[in-house]
Amino acid sequence: DSGVTQTPKHLITATGQRVTLRCSPRSGDLSVYWYQQSLDQGLQFLIQYYNGEERAKGNILERFSAQQFPDLHSELNLSSLELGDSALYFCASSAPGRHEQYFGPGTRLTVT
Amino acid sequence: LAKTTQPISMDSYEGQEVNITCSHNNIATNDYITWYQQFPSQGPRFIIQGYKTKVTNEVASLFIPADRKSSTLSLPRVSLSDTAVYYCLVGDTNSGYSTLTFGKGTMLLVSP
Repeated sequence: DSGVTQTPKHLITATGQRVTLRCSPRSGDLSVYWYQQSLDQGLQFLIQYYNGEERAKGNILERFSAQQFPDLHSELNLSSLELGDSALYFCASSAPGRHEQYFGPGTRLTVT
Repeated sequence: LAKTTQPISMDSYEGQEVNITCSHNNIATNDYITWYQQFPSQGPRFIIQGYKTKVTNEVASLFIPADRKSSTLSLPRVSLSDTAVYYCLVGDTNSGYSTLTFGKGTMLLVSP
């Protein structure tokens, strides 16, 4: 158990819908990262927040957005969902000044 | 970010030592080398990190030669449960390491 929690574990929704994925980092960690992993794309970095502010952006679509709240939990919002958005979405956190990231168990999103 | 190259797959037997080598020819002065392990449908798990020479923890050793253009993850006496994908990453937190680029990794298969 990494100490990072993600909800829900599974999510099934239809095309065109919007969903919100939630992540709680390890106690004391200020950075939160979001990744998408699909069979054909591997593990792709989406976005990072540090203490409430966006720090880095990766291959995140405009239909996707994220935020980190004052209590440091983070939400990833996915809208206008397409079949290709079906994937595992991981959240990770890291401590200030530390390089290693600790990943949550992931949310499996299925778009039908 | 420095590009890494590692074997696509490796096979081993229980009880053997496994060495996975990663090439990172354009590693920068401030870059650290980090290895992660991932089981199917789980988030990557931090294994070990180093900057130079040798680092050892309770699960693995990391050997880094003086030129730092490669690194070797050593898993002593592997078991069936070590079957997983192993990722090598290189980067610096100050300059963008947070945007972790996971390659294809090395699929290690441990047989009885």
